[in-house]
Amino acid sequence: DAGVTQSPTHLIKTRGQQVTLRCSPISGHKSVSWYQQVLGQGPQFIFQYYEKEERGRGNFPDRFSARQFPNYSSELNVNALLLGDSALYLCASSSGGGSDTQYFGPGTRLTVL
Amino acid sequence: DQQVKQNSPSLSVQEGRISILNCDYTNSMFDYFLWYKKYPAEGPTFLISISSIKDKNEDGRFTVFLNKSAKHLSLHIVPSQPGDSAVYFCAARNFGNEKLTFGTGTRLTIIP
Repeated sequence: DAGVTQSPTHLIKTRGQQVTLRCSPISGHKSVSWYQQVLGQGPQFIFQYYEKEERGRGNFPDRFSARQFPNYSSELNVNALLLGDSALYLCASSSGGGSDTQYFGPGTRLTVL
Repeated sequence: DQQVKQNSPSLSVQEGRISILNCDYTNSMFDYFLWYKKYPAEGPTFLISISSIKDKNEDGRFTVFLNKSAKHLSLHIVPSQPGDSAVYFCAARNFGNEKLTFGTGTRLTIIP
């Protein structure tokens, strides 16, 4: 079975632009979470979605938004990009039972110039 | 406020010996702990987990120990193999909440 997939793999944007990152969960998984990992740090929680509803939000500004579609795939949007948004963005999926292991995708490397 | 801490940024171990990676946490509400392994240009890969009702969990070469009173957990890898060279992250969460709080990682290098 395919694991979590993310697109694109790499992305270069300039300050002020907007970006959309995409994630497809493992087949049968209904929960998707997004994390940001900057160099030298562990991943930081951004959002969790379950059955298209937002279940959790981390300490990120309103420039960050997400949604989940009926097929459980998800998009993360970031508006008005700042240099500090340069990071690896990771998507994780789980069955969504609240106590399930999360499995991560390979990530999207975003560079903001 | 770093609620999960991995105080050793790096660790080098001879092949065949035991690797011990440590993790401390401050939030007493955490009740489930996980270890992930990460290679460059890949996402974190789940290794092993432990619930707060246990103090040890084993899976093959990997064993995780939890000391709740000290708010400390450790990952033991025996024997260490070259393919174990990676960055290891400790993560924690509250019951029923999928949000993971990660440490900053420990880079493990296995020396042949």
